[in-house]
Amino acid sequence: AQKITQTQPGMFVQEKEAVTLDCTYDTSDQSYGLFWYKQPSSGEMIFLIYQGSYDEQNATEGRYSLNFQKARKSANLVISASQLGDSAMYFCAMRGVSSNTGKLIFGQGTTLQVKP
Amino acid sequence: DGGITQSPKYLFRKEGQNVTLSCEQNLNHDAMYWYRQDPGQGLRLIYYSQIVNDFQKGDIAEGYSVSREKKESFPLTVTSAQKNPTAFYLCASSPRDRATDTQYFGPGTRLTVL
Repeated sequence: AQKITQTQPGMFVQEKEAVTLDCTYDTSDQSYGLFWYKQPSSGEMIFLIYQGSYDEQNATEGRYSLNFQKARKSANLVISASQLGDSAMYFCAMRGVSSNTGKLIFGQGTTLQVKP
Repeated sequence: DGGITQSPKYLFRKEGQNVTLSCEQNLNHDAMYWYRQDPGQGLRLIYYSQIVNDFQKGDIAEGYSVSREKKESFPLTVTSAQKNPTAFYLCASSPRDRATDTQYFGPGTRLTVL
C-alpha cells in the first residue's frame, strides 16, 4: 500500500527565513511521482513542485525546492525567503504506477504560518 | 486563460435532495478527478475518468455519481444516499492518467447540508 506521512501538523517561520516541511512516503513501486501542493484559506489546491522517482536532480521552482532522498523515502519541501503569503496548508502527495485508480495519495498536511 | 472552473462556490442541500456540482476544464486534458476534503484532512478520491465516456470508482464512491459525456466536463452528483455530504469538493484534471502527470485543481465547491 502507498502512504504519505507528514509529521508536522503546524510550523512557524520568520519572514525571509527558509523553512523545511517534512514528507516521507511508502511505496513498493519503482516508478512514481511526488508532488507538493499549497492550500491557502480560500481552499484551492495550488501545484508547487514535482519530483519523479528517476530524476537524479532535486526539483526546483523559484523559491521552492524538493529535497529528494530516495533511499530514505523522503521528499521534503524547502521554501526559501519565506513571505507572508506563504502562510497556508501544504500537502505532500504521490502517484505510483501500480495504482490503477489514478488517485493522488495525500498526507495529512502541514499548516505553515509566516511571522512578520 | 486555461484552467479548471467549478460551480457553484457554495452549495446548500436539504435532506433527501440530489445536487450536482459542475467541473469544466479547457486544458484539453484526458483525465479528470473528483476529491472530497473534510476539515483538517487530506483529499480522498471519489471518482475519476481517464477518457470520455469512461469513469471509475475511487475510494469513497458510495452515494455519488458522475458522467463524462464531453472531454471538458465531469459533473458530480451527490445523491440522498450519501449520509454525510457536508465537505469541500475539489475537481482536478491531468493530461493523462499517469504517475508522472501533474493534477491541476479547480477552486472547489463547499457543500453544506441543512
